Amino acid sequence: SQQGEEDPQALSIQEGENATMNCSYKTSINNLQWYRQNSGRGLVHLILIRSNEREKHSGRLRVTLDTSKKSSSLLITASRAADTASYFCATAGGNNRLAFGKGNQVVVIP
Amino acid sequence: EAGVTQFPSHSVIEKGQTVTLRCDPISGHDNLYWYRRVMGKEIKFLLHFVKESKQDESGMPNNRFLAERTGGTYSTLKVQPAELEDSGVYFCASSQIGLGYGYTFGSGTRLTVV
Repeated sequence: SQQGEEDPQALSIQEGENATMNCSYKTSINNLQWYRQNSGRGLVHLILIRSNEREKHSGRLRVTLDTSKKSSSLLITASRAADTASYFCATAGGNNRLAFGKGNQVVVIP
Repeated sequence: EAGVTQFPSHSVIEKGQTVTLRCDPISGHDNLYWYRRVMGKEIKFLLHFVKESKQDESGMPNNRFLAERTGGTYSTLKVQPAELEDSGVYFCASSQIGLGYGYTFGSGTRLTVV
């Protein structure tokens, strides 16, 4: 089954710096999605990239997808303290069911 | 539009008791999913409804878990009897039919079994 695996697990950066997270998966996908979870709150959908797309932008977020390497990256530019959260990648296959990775904890220090 | 609503936000119950979680999806979203995150581990799929039908319930851990979606609107997830290992955060999500749509997740129900 599909499974996203983020790397690194925890990241601590200064406000204003960029944060990059990677995700790898094992099987073919229809799309890959990134989610954020702030402490004690629900999952927030950040961005979806389809299998035929290579790069996508949304505000300060940039996602890349390399289907040949079965990997994706999420870049947050000019980080803010409010970006402190756990970030998950999730892959969706033909059954539209999401398979989540373990998540990255990002701490942005003001 | 209103988001996905889950109730309760927190529940603390004793081992052996019954708990029922509720999820109200976004109106018009035929897909409804339940996921859970146990002890800070991965978020695991539980089951998927399309309208009122169970499309995929392969992630349900055992027969102590029962999910329903009568009428294809809100869904309930009942745990009976609850065990200690059921503690975690239960998320509900909904989406429109078709690939390429992101999911909208609720805030989750934090279940603690003591």
